Amino acid sequence: NAGVTQTPKFQVLKTGQSMTLQCAQDMNHNSMYWYRQDPGMGLRLIYYSASEGTTDKGEVPNGYNVSRLNKREFSLRLESAAPSQTSVYFCASSERRGGGYGYTFGSGTRLTVV
Amino acid sequence: DQQVKQNSPSLSVQEGRISILNCDYTNSMFDYFLWYKKYPAEGPTFLISISSIKDKNEDGRFTVFLNKSAKHLSLHIVPSQPGDSAVYFCAASGNTGGFKTIFGAGTRLFVKA
Repeated sequence: NAGVTQTPKFQVLKTGQSMTLQCAQDMNHNSMYWYRQDPGMGLRLIYYSASEGTTDKGEVPNGYNVSRLNKREFSLRLESAAPSQTSVYFCASSERRGGGYGYTFGSGTRLTVV
Repeated sequence: DQQVKQNSPSLSVQEGRISILNCDYTNSMFDYFLWYKKYPAEGPTFLISISSIKDKNEDGRFTVFLNKSAKHLSLHIVPSQPGDSAVYFCAASGNTGGFKTIFGAGTRLFVKA
């Protein structure tokens, strides 16, 4: 089925370890996003890529880096994981940025940093 | 400062009755409003949206109402079904350059059979 695929689904890291969350979409969407979901906080935007070759910071970018590898793939990297980065991470894509265009989300990565 | 607020963390409704989920926003630059539905262990799914030039948008059992003067929108589900039990996120976005979609904290809906 067409959609957004995230890997891994679960991950446990030790403080200071690094890892990359992978995301790929097969809908030929231009824009891609990384969100984190925390209890009582809703979904907060970490980084986004309006189109291939561009990336921009969202609300909570500190401690993260991203790469828009090509039109399909948008990865999120934690260089030195901290317990505050324990969260559920969602990747999403849309045909265009903003407006009434709904996002298609992946199923999420549950990350625990101990 | 939360620009999109969903003040009710949870709502319980009897099957067949109406569910009303509320959302308030503070930024008058928002011109599109969206609702997403999320089941456990899944990503949010886009449900319905409304442009700021309208005050109502309907799609089957789901209707979104927008009151721009009050900066308030609501999602009505009629009739409610047990399969509607999920977390509902309100979101707002604008078309101006650099604007991003802002999500509320979500409301968990329980529809009792």
